[in-house]
Amino acid sequence: GAGVSQSPSNKVTEKGKDVELRCDPISGHTALYWYRQSLGQGLEFLIYFQGNSAPDKSGLPSDRFSAERTGGSVSTLTIQRTQQEDSAVYLCASSFSPNYEQYFGPGTRLTVT
Amino acid sequence: AQSVAQPEDQVNVAEGNPLTVKCTYSVSGNPYLFWYVQYPNRGLQFLLKYITGDNLVKGSYGFEAEFNKSQTSFHLKKPSALVSDSALYFCAVTRGSGTYKYIFGTGTRLKVLA
Repeated sequence: GAGVSQSPSNKVTEKGKDVELRCDPISGHTALYWYRQSLGQGLEFLIYFQGNSAPDKSGLPSDRFSAERTGGSVSTLTIQRTQQEDSAVYLCASSFSPNYEQYFGPGTRLTVT
Repeated sequence: AQSVAQPEDQVNVAEGNPLTVKCTYSVSGNPYLFWYVQYPNRGLQFLLKYITGDNLVKGSYGFEAEFNKSQTSFHLKKPSALVSDSALYFCAVTRGSGTYKYIFGTGTRLKVLA
């Protein structure tokens, strides 16, 4: 079946602009995660959704970052007033249930100029 | 607090030799442990996991890992390395109950030399 998809694959934006990143998880997966990876380095947890529960937003680096998940499926990560330090690859992952293995999307490479 | 450490930024091994990529963790309660691999310009792929049961778990591409509770380790191993195993490897831990946040290690770059 289809894996996790993310769009766009690449995004170049000017400093100060807002961007929206989209994630389509695997159908039936209740858990959805967003991570940030800089220059092939480690993964920085951003936010976690599980079913209809309140999301765990503890990893969001500032109030410029927000995310929502509509209908328990598609998720959108929004970054307002982008800064150059926001440049990174943003990865989305989903899993069948919490503590199961995660399946990752190909990522969105964000470049803020 | 949960944490996971991958003490080696890079591991070099000759093709055909056994390889080990180290991971240690700290978590209260029962750990769930995972290894993921990231090939160049590709997304992360799940390799294997330990939840409970046999301490030696086998995964994709001939990899295995051994859970050692006393040493709080979960090292990744392969008996005979291939050049195609060259990639970035991540260890991750979460708890068996309560919070479901994964904590990823900083990654270890494996380079298999022909």
